Amino acid sequence: SQQGEEDPQALSIQEGENATMNCSYKTSINNLQWYRQNSGRGLVHLILIRSNEREKHSGRLRVTLDTSKKSSSLLITASRAADTASYFCATEPNTGNQFYFGTGTSLTVIP
Amino acid sequence: DVKVTQSSRYLVKRTGEKVFLECVQDMDHENMFWYRQDPGLGLRLIYFSYDVKMKEKGDIPEGYSVSREKKERFSLILESASTNQTSMYLCASSFLTGAAFFGQGTRLTVV
Repeated sequence: SQQGEEDPQALSIQEGENATMNCSYKTSINNLQWYRQNSGRGLVHLILIRSNEREKHSGRLRVTLDTSKKSSSLLITASRAADTASYFCATEPNTGNQFYFGTGTSLTVIP
Repeated sequence: DVKVTQSSRYLVKRTGEKVFLECVQDMDHENMFWYRQDPGLGLRLIYFSYDVKMKEKGDIPEGYSVSREKKERFSLILESASTNQTSMYLCASSFLTGAAFFGQGTRLTVV
């Protein structure tokens, strides 16, 4: 399987704290993306970082990419209860136009 | 806004039935995907298509087929539904590279 892996599998924090989740992958990539999924719903695209980028910001989200270690991290700052969801990384390999998803991190933000 | 629409949110079918899951996108995306999502296993790619009438097998194509007669529509077919195909099915679309946009998901129960 070419799936990535997220770490940790589950994370529980207090509102206002920062949440960090990590993703490791196996193949060379064009880009890496992070998605959010609320319970029982489809995935929503959050942010995309290209293989030649090292860091990217979008609002309270900060993503880093280390292609030498084949890893990425997603930081959510000043978390809110509404951030409670599952977060997935997805890699787009440079061999084809498809995506490989990780198994996800379940984030719970306690009000 | 990009819209990916799956024909049903919930579906209950009997073992042995032929099941059609329909997906329509309105963004003129080249790529369309079908995933299934099961607890602890993340998203697994069943089939994808990068053009009309083109299809490629994903990681778990057994027991499924697909049809893409028009660019905006990608159908997943369960030839003879079995209980182990009870799952959440997610359709997505994208340009040749970049973010994927997901439908709301179809929760299929095979009894």
